[in-house]
Amino acid sequence: AQTVTQSQPEMSVQEAETVTLSCTYDTSESDYYLFWYKQPPSRQMILVIRQEAYKQQNATENRFSVNFQKAAKSFSLKISDSQLGDAAMYFCAYRSLDTGGFKTIFGAGTRLFVKA
Amino acid sequence: GAVVSQHPSWVICKSGTSVKIECRSLDFQATTMFWYRQFPKQSLMLMATSNEGSKATYEQGVEKDKFLINHASLTLSTLTVTSAHPEDSSFYICSARDSRTGSSYEQYFGPGTRLTVT
Repeated sequence: AQTVTQSQPEMSVQEAETVTLSCTYDTSESDYYLFWYKQPPSRQMILVIRQEAYKQQNATENRFSVNFQKAAKSFSLKISDSQLGDAAMYFCAYRSLDTGGFKTIFGAGTRLFVKA
Repeated sequence: GAVVSQHPSWVICKSGTSVKIECRSLDFQATTMFWYRQFPKQSLMLMATSNEGSKATYEQGVEKDKFLINHASLTLSTLTVTSAHPEDSSFYICSARDSRTGSSYEQYFGPGTRLTVT
């Protein structure tokens, strides 16, 4: 079974600074997607960024970028120029493509605090 | 953009009663929907995969007789918590896979339903 591990329960960053959230995963599958989701206090899940495992190039979405290391099974999220609105819970997620149903497995989450 | 709604957003029920939560895809068809449970300050735990017109697939440890899932149409899946008890109090979130694109990464989340069992 696949597992997703986020080893940082909480992180803090100064406004305008850069922060990196860590994520590792375990799988025997060769084809899958990885995601970072943001969950603000409203609890609505918001897709931040996604990465297809077959792509070597790291995904980027404006201030958000990932460092995808497939061999190491590592998928970290870098937030540049942090803003107060970035404060939220961040979940790393794995979506299987080999098995039917395209289930998504979430890590335990990292709570990000942004200091003004 | 694709929108998924859940109803109700918050429900309080008495122990022993059943409560139904609806998940609707408003502007797309969803052959597959997923139900998650989230305890306070914890992650989302996948409960089951709901496929339109067929039986749901439950994750290990989830009681299928307690959490009844029905996916009767391409836009609606329901989760019924039967004989609810206080330990069933939680935040329930659904997500829907957009079957139009055929892409496995197009999944959209509902806003969640908070269930409180007294």
